[in-house]
Order: sequence, then structure tokens, then C-alpha cells
Amino acid sequence: QSALTQPASVSGSPGQSITISCTGTSSDVGGYNYVSWYQQHPGKAPKLIIYEVSNRPSGVSNRFSGSKSGNTASLTISGLQAEDEADYHCTSYSTSSTLVFGGGTKLTVL
Amino acid sequence: QITLKESGPTLVKPTQTLTLTCTFSGFSLSTSGVGVGWIRQPPGKALDWLALIYWNDDKRYSPSLKTRVTITKDTSKNQVILTMANMDPADTATYFCTHRITYASGWTFDYWGQGTMVTVSS
Repeated sequence: QSALTQPASVSGSPGQSITISCTGTSSDVGGYNYVSWYQQHPGKAPKLIIYEVSNRPSGVSNRFSGSKSGNTASLTISGLQAEDEADYHCTSYSTSSTLVFGGGTKLTVL
Repeated sequence: QITLKESGPTLVKPTQTLTLTCTFSGFSLSTSGVGVGWIRQPPGKALDWLALIYWNDDKRYSPSLKTRVTITKDTSKNQVILTMANMDPADTATYFCTHRITYASGWTFDYWGQGTMVTVSS
């Protein structure tokens, strides 16, 4: 069982927006602004898309945005495209100098 | 351009020790702020952080694995080595080597190797 809780799956139609939640505790998500999100296509290595809750690395589409409220972080993808179909993983720095991951969410673009 | 590549055995027997090598280019592990981590992913399952080593040889380990895992670096060879003792079939996974982001705080990884699949079976 993963330390952070994500929905197993979400879906949306092209052009729509979806949000993936990532729930932790005050020892991780709620206690630090060090939440990151990764996109992973089948058979590929994860790709960083959001860091420090809401920052996008250079080259990542502005259709991806992140936020946090209390112990829950969220990833929103707007203007869904077929290429967005992938697994999405959240992660957070945690107390005692550790890193925790969510269980991953499979996004299906209908 | 930063690249990382994992190498090591694809098959190990239960109770054996796994040794994986990460060979990287495009950065130096002697530069302040730089870190290299290992993350694994069992087939069809979630990512799992294992260890992180910094430029100053500071090391961090997953609490659940710290008795079995060791991370070291060879700066002259641009390599980071992960050893994991007492391997079990539950350790079957793809193991990724990663570069810690240097332009922000926290443990975020902006470059990943392609991963190497390790199967534990007798």
C-alpha cells in the first residue's frame, strides 16, 4: 500500500479537463511544498511534469498545472489530448528525510 | 545533455546480493547540490524510492530498505552503485537511476535512465 493515495483511474474526452488527486498527511504533502508529479507512458521512464507543487519544468505544456490544499495535492490537465493517456505518479518529501510515492493513476482519453 | 544508464544482472537468485551501476554524463557528482537517486517499479505497480546520494557523500535511504541497501559513488568514473542484499522475489522490478533537480529544493528527479529490469528467481 502506497503512502500517498491516488485514484486508480480517471478518464476524459479530448478537449476536456481532468484532475487527479494525491492525498497524504501533515508529515508529507501537508507539511512541505515539495510535491512533484510524473507522467509515465507504457514501457518508458517517468517524466517530470510538475515540481514544488505547481512549477513546470522548461518544455512542459502549460496544460499541466498543480496545486495543493491541506494534505491533498492535485494535478489538472486541461485541453486533454490523446498523447496525455499515461500513468501519473505523485510524490512528496516526507519527514525523516524520505520520499513517498502515490500508487499511480491511469488516465484514459476516451 | 544529461544522460543516465543503468547496468547489472537481469536475473538474480533469492538471498543473493544485487549490484547495479548507474553511469551518467552531462554533470559531475562533485558539483555542489548534485544528487543521484535510485527508484524501482515492480511490474504493474507503483514507483518506490530506494536511496539518494549527494555530491558531498551524504546518503539517504528508504526506511523500509535501509538495512539491505547501500549507495556509493565513484566520481572519477561518473558512476553511482546500488547494492541490495538478501534479494527476494518481491524485489523483482525495473530499477531506475535518476538525477536530482538542482534548480529547486526537495527531492525531485528531472532526468531518468531507461531502467533495467531485474528478476529474482531460483
